Amino acid sequence: DAGVIQSPRHEVTEMGQEVTLRCKPISGHNSLFWYRQTMMRGLELLIYFNNNVPIDDSGMPEDRFSAKMPNASFSTLKIQPSEPRDSAVYFCASTNVGGAYNEQFFGPGTRLTVL
Amino acid sequence: AQKVTQAQTEISVVEKEDVTLDCVYETRDTTYYLFWYKQPPSGELVFLIRRNSFDEQNEISGRYSWNFQKSTSSFNFTITASQVVDSAVYFCALSEVGSGTYKYIFGTGTRLKVLA
Repeated sequence: DAGVIQSPRHEVTEMGQEVTLRCKPISGHNSLFWYRQTMMRGLELLIYFNNNVPIDDSGMPEDRFSAKMPNASFSTLKIQPSEPRDSAVYFCASTNVGGAYNEQFFGPGTRLTVL
Repeated sequence: AQKVTQAQTEISVVEKEDVTLDCVYETRDTTYYLFWYKQPPSGELVFLIRRNSFDEQNEISGRYSWNFQKSTSSFNFTITASQVVDSAVYFCALSEVGSGTYKYIFGTGTRLKVLA
């Protein structure tokens, strides 16, 4: 079974451009998480969805960041306009939240560089 | 407030040595889960183990073992007879069930270097 799929794996863009990161969770999972990893701040949770509904977006740094989950098999994280300080690795993770408490499975990440 | 502390920023060992990675957590919840993840140089995050707060049994999986002690709020990870392939950053994480959010709080990670 395929794991969490993220695209692109690498993105280099210029300051001010719009960036869209994509994630396909593991089939059957009902919760999806977006994280950002930097040397300075470590792993930070940005937002998470349960059954396609955003539950907690308190980690989204500012209005330039937005995330959507139009269906159970796809989510996007958009940064508009991008800034150099947004450079980081962005991870998507999914899990099945229900009677049992399950671990999150992470995608390979998208390495974003904003020049 | 919930918090995870991995005080060891970096550890270097010689191959075949045993090494223990420390994880200390803080929570007010009585029901919570603890996790360990491995991040090798390739960058992906690999799940290693999950432990709930009611299960204090130690666990062994091959060369890996985990020691969970609620009395000291610790969930330490030991690699026996380390190998070069164990070189990675290891993260400990906490999730409080009572919060109902299923959010993880990650420690800052411990970078393990195993030298041949």
